[in-house]
Amino acid sequence: DGGITQSPKYLFRKEGQNVTLSCEQNLNHDAMYWYRQDPGQGLRLIYYSQIVNDFQKGDIAEGYSVSREKKESFPLTVTSAQKNPTAFYLCASTRTGGDYGYTFGSGTRLTVV
Amino acid sequence: QQQVKQSPQSLIVQKGGISIINCAYENTAFDYFPWYQQFPGKGPALLIAIRPDVSEKKEGRFTISFNKSAKQFSLHIMDSQPGDSATYFCAASLNSGYALNFGKGTSLLVTP
Repeated sequence: DGGITQSPKYLFRKEGQNVTLSCEQNLNHDAMYWYRQDPGQGLRLIYYSQIVNDFQKGDIAEGYSVSREKKESFPLTVTSAQKNPTAFYLCASTRTGGDYGYTFGSGTRLTVV
Repeated sequence: QQQVKQSPQSLIVQKGGISIINCAYENTAFDYFPWYQQFPGKGPALLIAIRPDVSEKKEGRFTISFNKSAKQFSLHIMDSQPGDSATYFCAASLNSGYALNFGKGTSLLVTP
């Protein structure tokens, strides 16, 4: 079955650590996105990529980094510069050029300990 | 700056009733307006979407109403069921392949 897989489901980070969240899709989608979800805040865009080796900052990119070396993969690194990283992180993908909605992963819940 | 404003923040509806969630947007260049449904601990799932050249779209019990002049759109859930209890997000983008701007969500509870 095609889908989008996020791992791990839960992640704990110590102060000052960088951590990387994985996002893999086998849907042959061109575009991939990272959103952060906080209670009462909706989904806020961190980074997105519409083609391999190219990505753009979203509304809250500070303290995060991404790469898009393969069409199927779009990992997100939460760096130590992100002062409030505790949140639910969602990866999504979509085809471009028509009325296609996002397919979301099941999310990674990151907690700072 | 919130480009899509959603209300109410929470909603309680009796089984069989109509749930109505409203959204307003600022950018007149937005061309694609989807609604997503999210259950706790899961990623959102596309429910229904509309383009601004259509004033209404219906899929089963779910209907989007769109008012281009008022820059508003709404989701109506007819015959609401307890299984519809979830968080609903409206969104808007320049086109379906572009990054979506989400509203803050509405937590819907349908009571038996």
